Amino acid sequence: QVQLQQSGPRLVKPSQTLSLTCSISGDSVSSNTASWIWIRQSPSRGLEWLGRTNYRSKWFYNYAPSLKSRITINADTSRNQFSLQLYSVTPEDTAVYYCTRDDGYELFDYWGQGILVTVSS
Amino acid sequence: QSVLTQPPSASGTPGQRVTISCSGSSSDIGNNYVYWYHQFPGTAPKLLIYRDNRRPSGVPDRFSGSKSGTSASLAISGLRSEDEADYYCAAWDDSLAGYVIFGGGTKLTVL
Repeated sequence: QVQLQQSGPRLVKPSQTLSLTCSISGDSVSSNTASWIWIRQSPSRGLEWLGRTNYRSKWFYNYAPSLKSRITINADTSRNQFSLQLYSVTPEDTAVYYCTRDDGYELFDYWGQGILVTVSS
Repeated sequence: QSVLTQPPSASGTPGQRVTISCSGSSSDIGNNYVYWYHQFPGTAPKLLIYRDNRRPSGVPDRFSGSKSGTSASLAISGLRSEDEADYYCAAWDDSLAGYVIFGGGTKLTVL
């Protein structure tokens, strides 16, 4: 059974960096078949795919075009985690952030618990 | 980001069959699989249908998916009160480097 556990601050000031971590159990961040994804959800923007990482002999990263200039996703194999960093945040980045998995067939089959991150001074 | 088009609301009475539509384009639904999720308040979305019409283990066969061209549908038969939730479709978009887009969501009310 795969479990994803999210952690990180719930409040971030405007212009600062939002940082979240997703700890994986029951699978490996360096799996050759899975991808690891960040998604957010807000009333104004709905569900929004932010980006993913996967390992296929080397690490690959894909990001949503609208965020490409201010997002980084990293994998930490020693801790079996992956992380999200979103730079220069504004109140529009306030949302519930989820980590999730794609096993190559069942897209987003397991989800983290979600963290509401509020951008406010 | 592009968004797939879903009706904002749908409703039905217990036992009825309801369908929820999802409309896209040739760069998303027309060329890629469709996925469906439902979401209850305060919880993460849950996968209902993958690869257009396949059900993950544990999802009742009351839920079914179909696709034709650039549109897809989710059908729920034998509607139950516990089916009241938000429903979302999703698909890969090939237009730029590849990313996933979602529908705006459909609020299903069981009357």
